[in-house]
Amino acid sequence: NAGVTQTPKFQVLKTGQSMTLQCAQDMNHNSMYWYRQDPGMGLRLIYYSASEGTTDKGEVPNGYNVSRLNKREFSLRLESAAPSQTSVYFCASSGQSNTGELFFGEGSRLTVL
Amino acid sequence: AQSVTQLGSHVSVSEGALVLLRCNYSSSVPPYLFWYVQYPNQGLQLLLKYTSAATLVKGINGFEAEFKKSETSFHLTKPSAHMSDAAEYFCAVSSGQGAQKLVFGQGTRLTINP
Repeated sequence: NAGVTQTPKFQVLKTGQSMTLQCAQDMNHNSMYWYRQDPGMGLRLIYYSASEGTTDKGEVPNGYNVSRLNKREFSLRLESAAPSQTSVYFCASSGQSNTGELFFGEGSRLTVL
Repeated sequence: AQSVTQLGSHVSVSEGALVLLRCNYSSSVPPYLFWYVQYPNQGLQLLLKYTSAATLVKGINGFEAEFKKSETSFHLTKPSAHMSDAAEYFCAVSSGQGAQKLVFGQGTRLTINP
């Protein structure tokens, strides 16, 4: 049972380069999320998608775009990477039950030089 | 708006000792509260959650937490620490409505001394 799968797991970029982080879930969940994790700051929500066809900004959306490609997939794009975007990125999903549990991928470690 | 404060970014206990990780929250609506654990180089996994049922919540691996509305707290405890408990622990809050936009605390790194 794969759960939430993120690719790539590691990436090094130069300032100004672009890249897309991919996320897919196989649990038939409606909602998907992108968080970033930085030391001493916990996890902060970048964007989320409550259901297929909708996306909304979270706490720290600047410099990012997202696409909810279908119910399974939710991608995060950095159009012009900056060193401040060096972080570990986590994708998560949640189901219809509204109990609040998020299921997380294993993370993507991004370094911007 | 909702927020979470975890008291202590690092906690160190001896194997077999009590584990106490502190979490205080702020919420304008009745909160849903969660504790997640993150082992090195892994994603987060749910330890336990409070969703307005019993105030004492039991989770996996012998952990439990008590919701205290008067103190706006949701502290995590385990009677006897094990070496395998070494990890980072995150407290989180949500409104429980619609998409589960969890707000996380800063995290507490738990170290177990032999």
